[in-house]
Amino acid sequence: GQQLNQSPQSMFIQEGEDVSMNCTSSSIFNTWLWYKQDPGEGPVLLIALYKAGELTSNGRLTAQFGITRKDSFLNISASIPSDVGIYFCAGGRRNEKLTFGTGTRLTIIP
Amino acid sequence: GAVVSQHPSWVICKSGTSVKIECRSLDFQATTMFWYRQFPKQSLMLMATSNEGSKATYEQGVEKDKFLINHASLTLSTLTVTSAHPEDSSFYICSALRGGPSSNQPQHFGDGTRLSIL
Repeated sequence: GQQLNQSPQSMFIQEGEDVSMNCTSSSIFNTWLWYKQDPGEGPVLLIALYKAGELTSNGRLTAQFGITRKDSFLNISASIPSDVGIYFCAGGRRNEKLTFGTGTRLTIIP
Repeated sequence: GAVVSQHPSWVICKSGTSVKIECRSLDFQATTMFWYRQFPKQSLMLMATSNEGSKATYEQGVEKDKFLINHASLTLSTLTVTSAHPEDSSFYICSALRGGPSSNQPQHFGDGTRLSIL
């Protein structure tokens, strides 16, 4: 099935650095979601976006719903060790299944 | 809120065995649940959409006789992998949708089930 283009595919950063990742699509979505998945666990919802242009924060995380409705980004400020994991974006439309991004693997270098 | 429980978290069994995985929404009713399969270092792949009181909708390429889905109540969906073989070994994850397919609510995921067929 279709997948969203998510970049970067992986990131290696030092603790305390800021992180930025994004997701792009060739078609529009009504909802953008960001999930984090730890090894051996299911994805956990971080932020849900419902309106074009919406900017939403959850602690050190900030995500925006692109104005064209075809993209979204997630920023993490002042990264800490527990931020390690795989981040997935997902685009949604009413009465349709979610379309997932390919994931961004975040690694923090000691 | 929005807690989804998946059981068991880990299964190891012999080839030919049938395995049942349960997905429960603990604090909300879910008329729609989803079953995903995830291979190592890959994204989630939707297998089927489970609808309470009706037949599941399977994605292209997913064998409905192999992966039986039952959504008998508003809080429980089950996935049964029938006559499992080593190639069925994978990480299976369910999710539940609060408010039904036309709602704008996000999916909430269970913790996944690691299935290993010997």
